[in-house]
Amino acid sequence: SQQGEEDPQALSIQEGENATMNCSYKTSINNLQWYRQNSGRGLVHLILIRSNEREKHSGRLRVTLDTSKKSSSLLITASRAADTASYFCAHLSNDYKLSFGAGTTVTVRA
Amino acid sequence: SAVISQKPSRDICQRGTSLTIQCQVDSQVTMMFWYRQQPGQSLTLIATANQGSEATYESGFVIDKFPISRPNLTFSTLTVSNMSPEDSSIYLCSVEWQGDNSTDTQYFGPGTRLTVL
Repeated sequence: SQQGEEDPQALSIQEGENATMNCSYKTSINNLQWYRQNSGRGLVHLILIRSNEREKHSGRLRVTLDTSKKSSSLLITASRAADTASYFCAHLSNDYKLSFGAGTTVTVRA
Repeated sequence: SAVISQKPSRDICQRGTSLTIQCQVDSQVTMMFWYRQQPGQSLTLIATANQGSEATYESGFVIDKFPISRPNLTFSTLTVSNMSPEDSSIYLCSVEWQGDNSTDTQYFGPGTRLTVL
């Protein structure tokens, strides 16, 4: 499965600030999903955006998708210490395989 | 969403031995997958566990090294055979779940952290 790229690799912000991370991919996609992983544990599914959608919100999360640029972004608003985690994007290609980006490690300072 | 459990949650094994990891889902699902996450890395798909037939392996992964069973629609096992320290990773199972919106969401188990000495 072809991995995508994510940037930044790491992000350190103050509690209350917003965190933005970006993801790029190379193939055609069915949808793109964002996950959170705390300290090497299992992945928690955050949000899914379909290929025909441009923006989606869920609580403090906002995801955008630009299929012409093959990129997506995840915005976490009003960050909290509990948001400290690694965030991964994963795109579902037309062969129904999920390919993960390299991940962004977010540290929220109290 | 589906609730997925894995056993064991972690293990420390000697090189040359094998470990079987179990994945249990609380609902019947068609698609189950196994992933590997090497230290500090992202997830890589090992194989798709097919019910009633042989698993479909991704490039770089072979059945002799990672035999997979899928006896029914709620359970699968992954065996890591003849382990070496390079097999030290987190192994995760996932299932594809089609909710009300019929979207192909994948949910993951808590993972099995394997250390090979």
